[in-house]
Amino acid sequence: DVKVTQSSRYLVKRTGEKVFLECVQDMDHENMFWYRQDPGLGLRLIYFSYDVKMKEKGDIPEGYSVSREKKERFSLILESASTNQTSMYLCASSTIFRTGKDYADTQYFGPGTRLTVL
Amino acid sequence: EDKVVQSPLSLVVHEGDTVTLNCSYEVTNFRSLLWYKQEKKAPTFLFMLTSSGIEKKSGRLSSILDKKELFSILNITATQTGDSAVYLCAVEAGGSEKLVFGKGTKLTVNP
Repeated sequence: DVKVTQSSRYLVKRTGEKVFLECVQDMDHENMFWYRQDPGLGLRLIYFSYDVKMKEKGDIPEGYSVSREKKERFSLILESASTNQTSMYLCASSTIFRTGKDYADTQYFGPGTRLTVL
Repeated sequence: EDKVVQSPLSLVVHEGDTVTLNCSYEVTNFRSLLWYKQEKKAPTFLFMLTSSGIEKKSGRLSSILDKKELFSILNITATQTGDSAVYLCAVEAGGSEKLVFGKGTKLTVNP
């Protein structure tokens, strides 16, 4: 069965700290994604990567950066955490987007990391 | 173990048809059930359901939750080709400590 794991289920950090969230998938998927989930706002895409060392900004990249040094691992970095980054962070992976179609294959999600910034 | 099961996994219909997508769940401390439409980049939030028997509607889409039987349905009437997508169901469980996703239903609407 498919497996996406995230390094922490819960994190509590202080304002200004540097925060690393790690995601690992074992499905040899090309694409990996980082989202945040906030009440009433649904899932919002922060960054995604379609290959090793490749990254693209999503809808809300400000305050975040990412790293994809290996195919199976995608890291989200908060350079200087702020209280408005308190959220549930979800990692996902998928295989290559279909061409000629207007939707992507299903994304497989990790269990999420609930980050609290004090 | 918490789980969310969606059915069917794949569905092909013609424009104008009505479709019903199913989502059943077994989770600890249910909080809410969410439906998303997955297209190119990110899933688009559709509905959040927390109470049984109250239908939520948005245009041609509607959804309802049954907390006794532990399932939800998503209806799409008068389908259009633009409805082609993967529809994801997710359940907030354990007092919002985690979000459990189903594998999605891949809907294809042909002209």
